[in-house]
Amino acid sequence: EAGVTQFPSHSVIEKGQTVTLRCDPISGHDNLYWYRRVMGKEIKFLLHFVKESKQDESGMPNNRFLAERTGGTYSTLKVQPAELEDSGVYFCASSPVGYNSPLHFGNGTRLTVT
Amino acid sequence: AQSVSQHNHHVILSEAASLELGCNYSYGGTVNLFWYVQYPGQHLQLLLKYFSGDPLVKGIKGFEAEFIKSKFSFNLRKPSVQWSDTAEYFCAVCRTSGTYKYIFGTGTRLKVLA
Repeated sequence: EAGVTQFPSHSVIEKGQTVTLRCDPISGHDNLYWYRRVMGKEIKFLLHFVKESKQDESGMPNNRFLAERTGGTYSTLKVQPAELEDSGVYFCASSPVGYNSPLHFGNGTRLTVT
Repeated sequence: AQSVSQHNHHVILSEAASLELGCNYSYGGTVNLFWYVQYPGQHLQLLLKYFSGDPLVKGIKGFEAEFIKSKFSFNLRKPSVQWSDTAEYFCAVCRTSGTYKYIFGTGTRLKVLA
């Protein structure tokens, strides 16, 4: 099966600009998660979709971050306007329905805000 | 709030040495436990998981982990490491009720010297 795909792999933008990250989960996976890792720190939960619904968005840092999952397939994470502290690696992961299935991760998007 | 602690941030071992990486979590309810590994240039992948039953679980590449409920621990072990085990290792916890949010630790960067 095809894995989780994230695009772009790297993005360098200036403070104040907008960036949109995309994640294509494994086909049929209802659960889709976004995580972020700042260098040396934990992989921090951002939010969780079940199909197209936001199940838990408690990890979203602030309203500059907007995640969508139209039609329950791919997801986008938009940062607008970007700030320096938004730099990090953004991971997407997917899993089948329920909690007894491990996550399948994408390669991540490395975002650098200058 | 749920949290995961990994005590060792950097570990350097010679080939054939034994490995034990510590992981403790804070959550009083029932959880599923995971170890993920990220090899250089690759995506995070599952090493092993514990859902229930025998607290000693075996994963890929000779890794094993032991769940000790009374200590809220899920330490990762390997009797004899290889150079190819050089990677970053993450412990993760997922509750089995409520929102299925996976919480990750800060990771342990393992370097194995040939």
